[in-house]
Amino acid sequence: NAGVTQTPKFQVLKTGQSMTLQCAQDMNHNSMYWYRQDPGMGLRLIYYSASEGTTDKGEVPNGYNVSRLNKREFSLRLESAAPSQTSVYFCASSERGGPNYGYTFGSGTRLTVV
Amino acid sequence: AQSVTQPDIHITVSEGASLELRCNYSYGATPYLFWYVQSPGQGLQLLLKYFSGDTLVQGIKGFEAEFKRSQSSFNLRKPSVHWSDAAEYFCAVVGSNDYKLSFGAGTTVTVRA
Repeated sequence: NAGVTQTPKFQVLKTGQSMTLQCAQDMNHNSMYWYRQDPGMGLRLIYYSASEGTTDKGEVPNGYNVSRLNKREFSLRLESAAPSQTSVYFCASSERGGPNYGYTFGSGTRLTVV
Repeated sequence: AQSVTQPDIHITVSEGASLELRCNYSYGATPYLFWYVQSPGQGLQLLLKYFSGDTLVQGIKGFEAEFKRSQSSFNLRKPSVHWSDAAEYFCAVVGSNDYKLSFGAGTTVTVRA
């Protein structure tokens, strides 16, 4: 099915370890996003990429880096994981920015840092 | 800065009863509003969206929402709830040229038989 694919679905890390969350979309969308979801806080934007070759910080970028590898792929890297980064991470894409273009979300990556 | 408030953290409703979820937004310009639903362990699915025009918006799964500019609200309603409507619901807002979709904290709906 067309959409946004995230890998892995689950991951457990030890404090200080690094990892990269992968996201790929096959809808030829220009814009891609990384959100984290925490109980009682909704979804908060970590980073976004308005178009291939550009990335910008969102609301909670500290401790994360991103790479827009190509138009399809947008990865999120945790260089030194901390327990505060335990969360569910969602990748999303849209044809371009703004409300006229729908946002499609992946099914999420559940990350636990111990 | 834009923000969204969902005053109710958790709502329990009987199957067949009506449901209303509240959403209040703060945004300096014309807001573009969304409601998403998240079933347990799943991603987010768009229920409906409001851009302009008719303030009563129809969505999927029998949901509707009403935009009230004077009250800065965008409440979601369903006349008769089904057990499958048990999920978490998120209200979100974005500006006309903005990339940043801002979410409320969510409302969890429990449906009792």
